[in-house]
Amino acid sequence: EDQVTQSPEALRLQEGESSSLNCSYTVSGLRGLFWYRQDPGKGPEFLFTLYSAGEEKEKERLKATLTKKESFLHITAPKPEDSATYLCAVRKIQGAQKLVFGQGTRLTINP
Amino acid sequence: NAGVTQTPKFQVLKTGQSMTLQCAQDMNHNSMYWYRQDPGMGLRLIYYSASEGTTDKGEVPNGYNVSRLNKREFSLRLESAAPSQTSVYFCASSSTPGQGATNEKLFFGSGTQLSVL
Repeated sequence: EDQVTQSPEALRLQEGESSSLNCSYTVSGLRGLFWYRQDPGKGPEFLFTLYSAGEEKEKERLKATLTKKESFLHITAPKPEDSATYLCAVRKIQGAQKLVFGQGTRLTINP
Repeated sequence: NAGVTQTPKFQVLKTGQSMTLQCAQDMNHNSMYWYRQDPGMGLRLIYYSASEGTTDKGEVPNGYNVSRLNKREFSLRLESAAPSQTSVYFCASSSTPGQGATNEKLFFGSGTQLSVL
């Protein structure tokens, strides 16, 4: 069965304290892995797509990496405005229309 | 740009009532989706429409029906609401998954918070 598991469920950091969020996946035939950011009361907003092991993408203080079993979202020197829930999702080669989401990591950055 | 617009934003129903959630996108996307989001469960796909005139079941279709009215609009109907359908519902759209990186990402609406009493 396809599974996407994110850890930790929640993470509190001080402003400037770097850390990483984890997304581990078990799918047959990965087409792509996606990261989204979701603010309270809003819909998810696209951040990155990763397609192959070893690939990396960066945007401001965020960097996403991909291996054959998991993806990491590294956040460097975070600011309070980076507080949000971060969602990971995978798309399979078979059934490419469907995204399977993890439960998300709720990130809080304290000033 | 409006992007993906969902109505209503909030709704309270009694068990057994029916309602339709509306969704429209102005990005000329082929594919549209309905997800529900529950605490600890993540986003789960209810139905999707790969193109105008087609619809397919997702992970949790029971108790729901959909209509792809035209390329822009995709509605979700609850015929007889149940408390288990209390959730936040999101509509999303994308260009054409499987046909290039730029077409892969989903654009989401701001959600409908539905409570069934």
